[in-house]
Amino acid sequence: DTGVSQNPRHKITKRGQNVTFRCDPISEHNRLYWYRQTLGQGPEFLTYFQNEAQLEKSRLLSDRFSAERPKGSFSTLEIQRTEQGDSAMYLCASSYARLTNTGELFFGEGSRLTVL
Amino acid sequence: AQSVTQLGSHVSVSEGALVLLRCNYSSSVPPYLFWYVQYPNQGLQLLLKYTSAATLVKGINGFEAEFKKSETSFHLTKPSAHMSDAAEYFCAGALGANNLFFGTGTRLTVIP
Repeated sequence: DTGVSQNPRHKITKRGQNVTFRCDPISEHNRLYWYRQTLGQGPEFLTYFQNEAQLEKSRLLSDRFSAERPKGSFSTLEIQRTEQGDSAMYLCASSYARLTNTGELFFGEGSRLTVL
Repeated sequence: AQSVTQLGSHVSVSEGALVLLRCNYSSSVPPYLFWYVQYPNQGLQLLLKYTSAATLVKGINGFEAEFKKSETSFHLTKPSAHMSDAAEYFCAGALGANNLFFGTGTRLTVIP
């Protein structure tokens, strides 16, 4: 399977614990995105990388959230001191974007976080 | 701020009937526009996209959408609904080569 892969698919944690999600994008894609989706809502942008550089972060991304893409390949999203409001589906997407157009985003199946 | 609005969080149609899912954008500059579909327990999949090349865009699975600047709309249609079309549909926009902003989604139910 050469699609976007996310792990773990489900994570249940207690409030105050740290969690980390991993995303492996399609190999030739230079852009990687993180979105959050809560029940009944569309995906909300969190952050994106072009290669290893984090180019944009949403105001939704509080200080407890950190994302990395150290070698321009896979990415991790860490949430520290989780809160119940962090419960959501975390979606990763990748694309090959050139300067003059917007590439199609390919989404993974998501990582569902439940904070008790 | 740029956004897309989807009218109707739930739409039900009979099998074989016309599917119409509505999307309006709010942006001073027409954005790139997309329709994505999400089946249960699956990732979002692109149905079609508008990038200013043609106002009528054909996508996969028989879906199409028409960009109407005068109405700031990008409604999704399919002439004849199939049971397999039951899913959640998201309209999305993008300005330039940046990230997508999504609508709240429309759940399509197809009645046999």
